Amino acid sequence: DADVTQTPRNRITKTGKRIMLECSQTKGHDRMYWYRQDPGLGLRLIYYSFDVKDINKGEISDGYSVSRQAQAKFSLSLESAIPNQTALYFCATSHPGLAHTELFFGEGSRLTVL
Amino acid sequence: GDSVTQMEGPVTLSEEAFLTINCTYTATGYPSLFWYVQYPGEGLQLLLKATKADDKGSNKGFEATYRKETTSFHLEKGSVQVSDSAVYFCALTANTGNQFYFGTGTSLTVIP
Repeated sequence: DADVTQTPRNRITKTGKRIMLECSQTKGHDRMYWYRQDPGLGLRLIYYSFDVKDINKGEISDGYSVSRQAQAKFSLSLESAIPNQTALYFCATSHPGLAHTELFFGEGSRLTVL
Repeated sequence: GDSVTQMEGPVTLSEEAFLTINCTYTATGYPSLFWYVQYPGEGLQLLLKATKADDKGSNKGFEATYRKETTSFHLEKGSVQVSDSAVYFCALTANTGNQFYFGTGTSLTVIP
């Protein structure tokens, strides 16, 4: 089983619908992240969380919200989806307290907003 | 602020050709530098990393050297294989490890 699991892996929805992408991890990491990948733009940070009570906006948080339900779970919501939110979304984790830590990624959730 | 600039693609090479993907960075302090690889239909996985100047990261025949004087971390491989076809991302994190910054990715296709 993957250490970082994202659900759903693929989702097609319509403009205006509320969508939730879920992420769970078994690595025991405190830090969790949501990124968005678009062709030619690389990965952009949406939100990140360093522990259950800590939520921080990334560079492109508008139109998104998150919830850290437990150390192992971090969900991303689109309250009212729009077509330019069509993208590949990645959840990632990292080990706390290490200056030279790395990110561990899930397999991605492909979202299409019609 | 911190940022990463990497060579735009796509790059197409014949099998056994030499690969270089350029990456330069802007950062305060002493960042850690990474190369991640994304195979088709998969998430990103760490390929190699270097945590201080002059360090060389290596894995699966790929190498990159942390050059502080040129603020670069170019990825190289002497002989690419079809299985190396993927998207490669250069990334950095400041020495606090709080945030990671990614380049735009370089798509590599290796043809037999």
